[in-house]
Amino acid sequence: EIVMTQSPLSLPVTPGEPASISCRSSQSLLRSNGYNFLDWYVQKPGQSPQLLIYLGSNRASGVPDRFSGGGSGTDFTLKISRVEAEDVGVYYCMQAQQAPRTFGPGTKVEIK
Amino acid sequence: QVQLQESGPGLVRPSETLSLTCTVSGGSISDHVWSWIRQPPGKGLEFIAYIYDSGRTNYNPSLESRVSISIDTSKKQFSLRVTSVTAADTAVYYCARLKNLGMPAITYHAFDFWGQGTLVTVSS
Repeated sequence: EIVMTQSPLSLPVTPGEPASISCRSSQSLLRSNGYNFLDWYVQKPGQSPQLLIYLGSNRASGVPDRFSGGGSGTDFTLKISRVEAEDVGVYYCMQAQQAPRTFGPGTKVEIK
Repeated sequence: QVQLQESGPGLVRPSETLSLTCTVSGGSISDHVWSWIRQPPGKGLEFIAYIYDSGRTNYNPSLESRVSISIDTSKKQFSLRVTSVTAADTAVYYCARLKNLGMPAITYHAFDFWGQGTLVTVSS
């Protein structure tokens, strides 16, 4: 199965400042159709995970434009342009390139 | 707004069978794919299985020998069974919808709605 890694695992952030999370896969997530089969999810405290980004760079419905996803192949990044207090939580990348779908270990974002 | 609600026992004895049901409301169960995902306490997410409304299934190979997923479209429910449970099966179990977000260009399913999750503890 494809192994997903993330860094950092803990990310203290200052409101108003940018933040970035890295995700790496053990195999390429880039399909011949040009799409990267990768999602980003966030699990806010006490809540279920929710979809942020799909196909590597597409924001899900209702997701603020301060969130952006990028990268290709085996290296991906989730960026928050200006962190807000409501963004605290654990962020997971997940690959959908090959069964079974596998998640990264998560990056805990907390306010400094 | 689609809502998913997990139900089932919160405590299961070791070696017994864990059974959970997810009820879908606020939307159709047809034309989507339905899934179970779990999260051991303090740990990350693990995909378990998914099922199409047609009944076609896909399982995580690490669990496939002990897991089965089924769907009852008339009741707008889908279910999970895990046999021969051990303490390692203690987790919050989430049901989730896999929606095709790739249209019209490609077929690509992502988990767009999740249930609130239910904690299942395996203990004697």
